Amino acid sequence: NAGVTQTPKFRVLKTGQSMTLLCAQDMNHEYMYWYRQDPGMGLRLIHYSVGEGTTAKGEVPDGYNVSRLKKQNFLLGLESAAPSQTSVYFCATWVGRVNEQFFGPGTRLTVL
Amino acid sequence: GENVEQHPSTLSVQEGDSAVIKCTYSDSASNYFPWYKQELGKGPQLIIDIRSNVGEKKDQRIAVTLNKTAKHFSLHITETQPEDSAVYFCAATSYGGSQGNLIFGKGTKLSVKP
Repeated sequence: NAGVTQTPKFRVLKTGQSMTLLCAQDMNHEYMYWYRQDPGMGLRLIHYSVGEGTTAKGEVPDGYNVSRLKKQNFLLGLESAAPSQTSVYFCATWVGRVNEQFFGPGTRLTVL
Repeated sequence: GENVEQHPSTLSVQEGDSAVIKCTYSDSASNYFPWYKQELGKGPQLIIDIRSNVGEKKDQRIAVTLNKTAKHFSLHITETQPEDSAVYFCAATSYGGSQGNLIFGKGTKLSVKP
């Protein structure tokens, strides 16, 4: 089992460019999350999904869109990247009930 | 909404000493408090958690304590080893109404010197 995987691992964008980050899981978990991690800021929730076809806003959703067309995949999109979106992005999954969230290895994004 | 404060932001100890990281939370409805360890270049990984009906939980060299009245919980690592060096995050949530949305502290960078 691969667990939670993220594609790509690294990416450099120019301001205004767009891109999509892919999170894939093979654990059949219902819940999936996208976080961003910035120095001294901890992990902040961007968007999340409670099941296939659903999405909801987290703490810092502006500038991002998400889709969950398939249960195993959760996509994070940046339509027009800004330098403020330079960060490390983590995807996580949760089976539900009281249990841990499983995190992917992260994607380091730099916006110039 | 929930707010989690974590202290200290950095902690340096000698190998073999103990390390303590403290967190406070604001929402009395929170009932689940996990601790995550993040090694360099990796995603966070759960190391221990505690639920609101328990005051203390131990797992070998690590322990977590919870004081619901004061709304704070702490991570204790005894007999620290160099491989304990990492960033540690506390978190809080209220299962049953928040879709598992964890609110994280800002992290503590622990350095264990040989």
